[in-house]
Amino acid sequence: NAGVTQTPKFQVLKTGQSMTLQCAQDMNHEYMSWYRQDPGMGLRLIHYSVGAGITDQGEVPNGYNVSRSTTEDFPLRLLSAAPSQTSVYFCASSYWEHRGRYYGYTFGSGTRLTVV
Amino acid sequence: AQKITQTQPGMFVQEKEAVTLDCTYDTSDPSYGLFWYKQPSSGEMIFLIYQGSYDQQNATEGRYSLNFQKARKSANLVISASQLGDSAMYFCALLFNQAGTALIFGKGTTLSVSS
Repeated sequence: NAGVTQTPKFQVLKTGQSMTLQCAQDMNHEYMSWYRQDPGMGLRLIHYSVGAGITDQGEVPNGYNVSRSTTEDFPLRLLSAAPSQTSVYFCASSYWEHRGRYYGYTFGSGTRLTVV
Repeated sequence: AQKITQTQPGMFVQEKEAVTLDCTYDTSDPSYGLFWYKQPSSGEMIFLIYQGSYDQQNATEGRYSLNFQKARKSANLVISASQLGDSAMYFCALLFNQAGTALIFGKGTTLSVSS
């Protein structure tokens, strides 16, 4: 049981390049989300998905696209990389019911992205 | 709007002492959850403890306990018998329902444990 797997772990991009950060989970969780963490900050939500085919924007969605064609995978696409997107990116998957019952909220190990 | 506040940028404690990390939250949703995560210098997010808004008792996980005071909207993390390996950044996060599943994080507290 691998949990949440993110690839790559490190990436350097030039301004204007595009790339996809991969995220896969093997826990059959409904919900998946992407966060970014800037130095000295907590994580901020970029995009999230409540199931295959359903995605929505979080707090900081500009410059990123997502899709969810399967339950397992939730890739994050940077359309045209900018230095402001230099950050650590975390993918998470979770299963949570109404009335606050919790079954799991698991983070991947993160992708450290530098845009030069 | 939902909000999480951690007012202690840094805390210092000696080994074997207990320490309390503060967290206050704001949400109008009656159904929510509160998490604490540990982030060591290696960068991964390690789950510590969870408290649901409908849970009657305070959550405990080994040396970690969550002091949940719903009326005061606080969810403080208590670490008993601190260890050197507890030195890390600690984040409080609010899980709320309207976004399906999303966490709002505080800015974190850096805990330093000395011998």
